[in-house]
Amino acid sequence: DTEVTQTPKHLVMGMTNKKSLKCEQHMGHRAMYWYKQKAKKPPELMFVYSYEKLSINESVPSRFSPECPNSSLLNLHLHALQPEDSALYLCASSQVTSYEQYFGPGTRLTVT
Amino acid sequence: GQQLNQSPQSMFIQEGEDVSMNCTSSSIFNTWLWYKQDPGEGPVLLIALYKAGELTSNGRLTAQFGITRKDSFLNISASIPSDVGIYFCAGYSSSGGYQKVTFGTGTKLQVIP
Repeated sequence: DTEVTQTPKHLVMGMTNKKSLKCEQHMGHRAMYWYKQKAKKPPELMFVYSYEKLSINESVPSRFSPECPNSSLLNLHLHALQPEDSALYLCASSQVTSYEQYFGPGTRLTVT
Repeated sequence: GQQLNQSPQSMFIQEGEDVSMNCTSSSIFNTWLWYKQDPGEGPVLLIALYKAGELTSNGRLTAQFGITRKDSFLNISASIPSDVGIYFCAGYSSSGGYQKVTFGTGTKLQVIP
């Protein structure tokens, strides 16, 4: 299984809502990543988990809260988002010692 | 901060033609990767390059890690319609004890049947 799955595929939320994005992989990878991608732009790294522990936070606002409950799952909890947070949110995974990341299809988030 | 510039920004080519695109930086990178992203999907890894001067092929794709470690090239031979998409380079460099990834600005490829 070389697939990274993400749910939901699309999400529309108001600025006062709380929602969560989910990511799952069964490749045995112990590094997992969250990226944000705006239209016509490259992916921007947000968070890196290594062995289920947060190892990198690229100065992401606290309204984004990541969680890695086990080695296969990665969540991104969203609260009090702004319209400018609308983007494609990508999850990726890799072996801890590898640069080769496998991406999921993303969640298209719209904040109204 | 570090920036990876890709050129061309976009290109239209005829099916069957060969394609070349490149990625340049003012900074040195230890590893280069090339990804392809289809609309509404996540990037898919095409080729990974680990050594300066390395030339690697994957089917119709050939990529090279520049000898200065500041650039990389991707060539696609005999293009087909499914090659349409956005191609991103990604460079890894050491930063604060970990390997930081920087994605390039992207090259949008459109193939005319």
